[in-house]
Amino acid sequence: RKEVEQDPGPFNVPEGATVAFNCTYSNSASQSFFWYRQDCRKEPKLLMSVYSSGNEDGRFTAQLNRASQYISLLIRDSKLSDSATYLCVVNTDNYGQNFVFGPGTRLSVLP
Amino acid sequence: ETGVTQTPRHLVMGMTNKKSLKCEQHLGHNAMYWYKQSAKKPLELMFVYNFKEQTENNSVPSRFSPECPNSSHLFLHLHTLQPEDSALYLCASSQDSGAETQYFGPGTRLLVL
Repeated sequence: RKEVEQDPGPFNVPEGATVAFNCTYSNSASQSFFWYRQDCRKEPKLLMSVYSSGNEDGRFTAQLNRASQYISLLIRDSKLSDSATYLCVVNTDNYGQNFVFGPGTRLSVLP
Repeated sequence: ETGVTQTPRHLVMGMTNKKSLKCEQHLGHNAMYWYKQSAKKPLELMFVYNFKEQTENNSVPSRFSPECPNSSHLFLHLHTLQPEDSALYLCASSQDSGAETQYFGPGTRLLVL
């Protein structure tokens, strides 16, 4: 089983739609969790950290379920500029040194 | 953004060449990382340096040799590479605590002929 798995995608949605991405991780000792976005031919950039209580940043909501080892990202009112690959990232090391990236889910928001 | 810079941005090399990739971070971070991103594959962590000491080597072949002279600079020395080593090589940095996020450079796109 891969350490971090994500919805295979791609997701093609119209502007204004709500879209949800799922991610599961295999290491129950994982310490911290993140969503990154990566635009085509660019480097990954942090979208948001994921906290146990869930957190929201504007149109983006992240949830963590440690018991199920599951992370989600919800995007509301999607914009054309949201088109990118969304990477689920899990830090499996207490000392913050082992970031494991999922394969990513590609999102295309269509006009 | 100029927090993490990488040079060169593109590199074509033969299998017998020796080249080096350079990364510099201007964020005052203590940890630096090399990742490999191949087509259709997740990012793979290669090396981690914390306070200039190498703390992770994820079974990377010896034809890749990292060097970290100080907390702001990281090199990846390449020699006798194979065509399957063609990929995007990304450098990142972070503070040294467990929950800190990483900031990536723009990457070096490497083609090995």
